[in-house]
Amino acid sequence: AQSVSQHNHHVILSEAASLELGCNYSYGGTVNLFWYVQYPGQHLQLLLKYFSGDPLVKGIKGFEAEFIKSKFSFNLRKPSVQWSDTAEYFCAVTFGSSNTGKLIFGQGTTLQVKP
Amino acid sequence: DTEVTQTPKHLVMGMTNKKSLKCEQHMGHRAMYWYKQKAKKPPELMFVYSYEKLSINESVPSRFSPECPNSSLLNLHLHALQPEDSALYLCASSASLRVGTDTQYFGPGTRLTVL
Repeated sequence: AQSVSQHNHHVILSEAASLELGCNYSYGGTVNLFWYVQYPGQHLQLLLKYFSGDPLVKGIKGFEAEFIKSKFSFNLRKPSVQWSDTAEYFCAVTFGSSNTGKLIFGQGTTLQVKP
Repeated sequence: DTEVTQTPKHLVMGMTNKKSLKCEQHMGHRAMYWYKQKAKKPPELMFVYSYEKLSINESVPSRFSPECPNSSLLNLHLHALQPEDSALYLCASSASLRVGTDTQYFGPGTRLTVL
């Protein structure tokens, strides 16, 4: 079955530390990849997305992600986190070219940034 | 403008009540979605509408009844719910289901409590 896994369930960092959140998916075909963020009390917001082209994708708020097809991964990175980055982060994938709109989410990673 | 609005923000209902959730978008999107999200969990897809037609029903119990009266509006009618149905109900929309235009934008959700 097609699935998405996020290895880090809860990450605690100090401000200015570097961040990398892992995301892997189980499918050898075409994928479209997304990272969403959910700040406390706020709605899901799109951080970045990858459909095709340059595998290094830049998003909002200084986030970037790299698609590595051979590793079935789409890890999220930020060189220096801020307290305001405290949030829940979800990796999500649509699989194949079937155009169903079915977005599969990973379990999420809770990021806590200490001031 | 990537805004999806949802009303009400909060809803408390008894198991015998009938209520409706409303979602609206004015981005010209032709695909709309309902998700259910439990605390600290990823959103779970319930329904997908494409061009006002139901495209996907993820085996959702019949006590949840979706309706898409026009391209901007999506309703979720609730009847005879159970306490375990208490959750955050999210609406999302995308330009279409077609790969490359299927980025989903989420509303703030309706926090539903079933007593």
